Amino acid sequence: SQKIEQNSEALNIQEGKTATLTCNYTNYSPAYLQWYRQDPGRGPVFLLLIRENEKEKRKERLKVTFDTTLKQSLFHITASQPADSATYLCALSNNAGNMLTFGGGTRLMVKP
Amino acid sequence: DTGVSQNPRHKITKRGQNVTFRCDPISEHNRLYWYRQTLGQGPEFLTYFQNEAQLEKSRLLSDRFSAERPKGSFSTLEIQRTEQGDSAMYLCASSLDSLNSPLHFGNGTRLTVT
Repeated sequence: SQKIEQNSEALNIQEGKTATLTCNYTNYSPAYLQWYRQDPGRGPVFLLLIRENEKEKRKERLKVTFDTTLKQSLFHITASQPADSATYLCALSNNAGNMLTFGGGTRLMVKP
Repeated sequence: DTGVSQNPRHKITKRGQNVTFRCDPISEHNRLYWYRQTLGQGPEFLTYFQNEAQLEKSRLLSDRFSAERPKGSFSTLEIQRTEQGDSAMYLCASSLDSLNSPLHFGNGTRLTVT
């Protein structure tokens, strides 16, 4: 069956360091991969989208990589800040692009 | 653009009662989605509308769940004969009608079934 795995353990890092979150998938051939941020009691907020033929995408302090051979995406936040503390969700979509399947999310805690 | 609006924010109901939630999407968005999320998990897809047509429905969705989008604008999600296992956050999202447009989520309706 299709699976999207994100590290369920919280990631704790010091302010100013780079946070790296992992998203692995199996039995899936996604055309697109998206990353969202979710704060407690709120809905997810879109951050970045990367296509299967793109290796890397950047937006300000964020960087996403997509390796379809390893079936993995890495999400990096450089120069992390306490305000970056949240849960980060990866999501894959099919070729029709009309349904997004989410991973379980990884909670990031950035300590000052 | 006021974003996606969901009402109510919280709902507490007794087992066996029916509940209905409302979602008002971003006005120019043709696509509307319902997801369910439990604590510590990612959102789980329930159903999807393009305008007023319900195009996909999760196999996990029992017959007690029904969703409508009568005029292609707002949507309602009804749960009949609620069970304790229905307790969750119900999220609505909308998007433009183009391939892989990002989803814009509301802040959800938290349902507690006692």
